[in-house]
Amino acid sequence: EVQLEESGGGLVQPGGSLRLSCAASGFTFSNYWMSWVRQAPGKGLEWVANIKQDGSEKYYVDSVKGRFTISRDNAKNSLSLQMYRLRAEDTALYYCARDAGSGSYYGALDYWGQGTLVTVSS
Amino acid sequence: DIQMTQSPSSLSASVGDRVTITCQASQDISNYLNWYQQKPGKAPKLLISDASNLQTGVPSRFSGGGSGTNFTLSISSLQPEDVATYYCQHYDNLSFTFGPGTKVEI
Repeated sequence: EVQLEESGGGLVQPGGSLRLSCAASGFTFSNYWMSWVRQAPGKGLEWVANIKQDGSEKYYVDSVKGRFTISRDNAKNSLSLQMYRLRAEDTALYYCARDAGSGSYYGALDYWGQGTLVTVSS
Repeated sequence: DIQMTQSPSSLSASVGDRVTITCQASQDISNYLNWYQQKPGKAPKLLISDASNLQTGVPSRFSGGGSGTNFTLSISSLQPEDVATYYCQHYDNLSFTFGPGTKVEI
């Protein structure tokens, strides 16, 4: 059974940093692109970043470029999102999600975790 | 950048009704369009990929169509368990754009 479990969320002050993690199990993690998607309270979905199977390609939404870094450790079946210079508008539930393509990029997210909440507030 | 819009933003229908949600892209996106269902308090679930490919396990009352700039998600006979927000999502150049969502109520 495919499982994705996020952790690392919490309350952080504006300008602060936070590192999110996603533990993957039930599939060959190294075969899949992975993404982070966020959802502000009561709002819609916003894709944040994704990373290629071997970590050689990474893409970000414009609003987080230069502040967030996505990474992965295929040996530990783990995905991370390092967030710097956090702003109030980064407050959201952050989901880890798997791309549907095994060995390639498909562009659809077929498995999602339950999310970890990040609150940026003083 | 390609923008995605959805209509209506919300709807209320009766059990058994046919429901159609529309998603429009600001430019031609071929069939690079997926649909998700998000029930309250839950993570999104992929329903349809590439505009019309129903995912395994998704009830056949759901269907998707369209290409280019105009797409639809239809529920042929609305059920109580279909209460959710539905999002379209475009992918290209290795990034994703979600529509604003359509909330479906009974």
